[in-house]
Amino acid sequence: DADVTQTPRNRITKTGKRIMLECSQTKGHDRMYWYRQDPGLGLRLIYYSFDVKDINKGEISDGYSVSRQAQAKFSLSLESAIPNQTALYFCATSELNEQFFGPGTRLTVL
Amino acid sequence: GENVEQHPSTLSVQEGDSAVIKCTYSDSASNYFPWYKQELGKGPQLIIDIRSNVGEKKDQRIAVTLNKTAKHFSLHITETQPEDSAVYFCAANIPTSYGKLTFGQGTILTVHP
Repeated sequence: DADVTQTPRNRITKTGKRIMLECSQTKGHDRMYWYRQDPGLGLRLIYYSFDVKDINKGEISDGYSVSRQAQAKFSLSLESAIPNQTALYFCATSELNEQFFGPGTRLTVL
Repeated sequence: GENVEQHPSTLSVQEGDSAVIKCTYSDSASNYFPWYKQELGKGPQLIIDIRSNVGEKKDQRIAVTLNKTAKHFSLHITETQPEDSAVYFCAANIPTSYGKLTFGQGTILTVHP
């Protein structure tokens, strides 16, 4: 089984809808991250969490919120989706420096 | 904050040739520089990393060099193979960021058979 899983893998939604992307990990890591990937822009950090009680904004947090339900679960929400949030979203975990990524969620907002 | 610039954005080589991808960083406090490979439909995966107390590191066909004075580091892939085709990302980390990475824009490498 994969160490970092993301659901759903693909999602198409409409402008204004609320969307939740979920991430689970079995690596036992405290640190978890949400990134968004856009062509030509690389991976940009949305939110990160260093333990269940610690949530921090990344460089592009506007329009997003997160919830760390347990050490193993970190969810990303789009309260009111807009078309420019169409992107590939990755969850990652780390213990020290190396980050382990999930397979990604491709989100399309129409 | 840290800023990482990566070039080129696309790179096309023939099988057996070498490929070089370059990155520059802005914060002289950065001390950890990983490289990630992203295959189609998958998440990025660490392939090699280097710390600021080392100038070069090799692992079989891949190597990374670091020039702290110029604040740039490079990925070198020798004897490229079609399975090296992927998107490559460089990244940098400063000690006070507790493991947060700043990524470059990515390079799409295509190795033609």
